Amino acid sequence: DTEVTQTPKHLVMGMTNKKSLKCEQHMGHRAMYWYKQKAKKPPELMFVYSYEKLSINESVPSRFSPECPNSSLLNLHLHALQPEDSALYLCASSRQGNEKLFFGSGTQLSVL
Amino acid sequence: QQPVQSPQAVILREGEDAVINCSSSKALYSVHWYRQKHGEAPVFLMILLKGGEQKGHEKISASFNEKKQQSSLYLTASQLSYSGTYFCGTTYNFNKFYFGSGTKLNVKP
Repeated sequence: DTEVTQTPKHLVMGMTNKKSLKCEQHMGHRAMYWYKQKAKKPPELMFVYSYEKLSINESVPSRFSPECPNSSLLNLHLHALQPEDSALYLCASSRQGNEKLFFGSGTQLSVL
Repeated sequence: QQPVQSPQAVILREGEDAVINCSSSKALYSVHWYRQKHGEAPVFLMILLKGGEQKGHEKISASFNEKKQQSSLYLTASQLSYSGTYFCGTTYNFNKFYFGSGTKLNVKP
């Protein structure tokens, strides 16, 4: 199994809603990542988990809250988002740091 | 902090060649290359771990000049399927992987 599975594929939410994005991999990878990508821009690093511990937070606003319940699962909890948070959210994993990244298909998020 | 790529965009006819450059203001210890098609996730192409390393297949290859803090991706005899946005990327600190600015490649018949 060489897949990273992300759900949902599309999400529309209001500014007062709470929602969660889910990412799962069963490749035994110990590094997992959240990226945000705006149209025509490169993916921007948000968070990195290494061995289920948060190792990198790129000064992301607290309305984004990551969680790594176990080595296969990564969540991104969303609360009180702004319209400018609308973007493609990509999850990725790698065996360890600085190795090939495997990406999920992403969640296209629209905040109204 | 992200690597800078050039050109930003390139248009090719099928069969033509292209070179995409990636440079960093900070020391590069490794370089990844990814291709992203519209509406899809980035897909890994290759990773170069050592200065002077060259990798790839006959038609898509890359080089890495560690001293110059640069990498180049070579696309030979381009095909329609090569269209997409190409990103280099690197890890400046352990696990902190940054993508380059991107190069949009459009291959036309």
